[in-house]
Amino acid sequence: SQTIHQWPATLVQPVGSPLSLECTVEGTSNPNLYWYRQAAGRGLQLLFYSVGIGQISSEVPQNLSASRPQDRQFILSSKKLLLSDSGFYLCAWSQSGVAGELFFGEGSRLTVL
Amino acid sequence: GNSVTQMEGPVTLSEEAFLTINCTYTATGYPSLFWYVQYPGEGLQLLLKATKADDKGSNKGFEATYRKETTSFHLEKGSVQVSDSAVYFCALIGTNTNAGKSTFGDGTTLTVKP
Repeated sequence: SQTIHQWPATLVQPVGSPLSLECTVEGTSNPNLYWYRQAAGRGLQLLFYSVGIGQISSEVPQNLSASRPQDRQFILSSKKLLLSDSGFYLCAWSQSGVAGELFFGEGSRLTVL
Repeated sequence: GNSVTQMEGPVTLSEEAFLTINCTYTATGYPSLFWYVQYPGEGLQLLLKATKADDKGSNKGFEATYRKETTSFHLEKGSVQVSDSAVYFCALIGTNTNAGKSTFGDGTTLTVKP
């Protein structure tokens, strides 16, 4: 069966520090991968998606970047965090070539102080 | 572009009450429609889905019917439980959506009191 795992689950970082959130998927190949952000009390905002290794599309201009160094690994990064980067970050995957449901990770809560 | 509008919350109900959370959408063609649920501190998980007009998705006592004529996919449950307290998201994938990207509503927070 397929599984998705992201980490760390919680982190508190000072303004200006770097960020790295990692997500891995098991049990499937060539998935579509996504990073979403969920601000407190609000819906989901798609940040990045990827249809293959090294292929990253950004949905909104921001202080963050994403990379896909391996087929089932998706990384969200920042060189210098801003206060506005605080939120709940969710990684998700879907089956390539199929307009089907998303499978989400457990989420990573980031607080920037 | 595609959009999803869902009932604003929060919604507070007593146990065993009837639940409706409204969801309407705008999309070209024939999108697939989904309801996701997010329990406190967790990621989202699929609750139910429908892929064509008049389909009814159902799971855990929840139901939603794909109504193309009213572009709606309202979520219903006949008798809610305290354990149903969560945030509910309506979402769609359009037929021409690149890379299977989903469009989400803003979420509706449901609290069920004993």
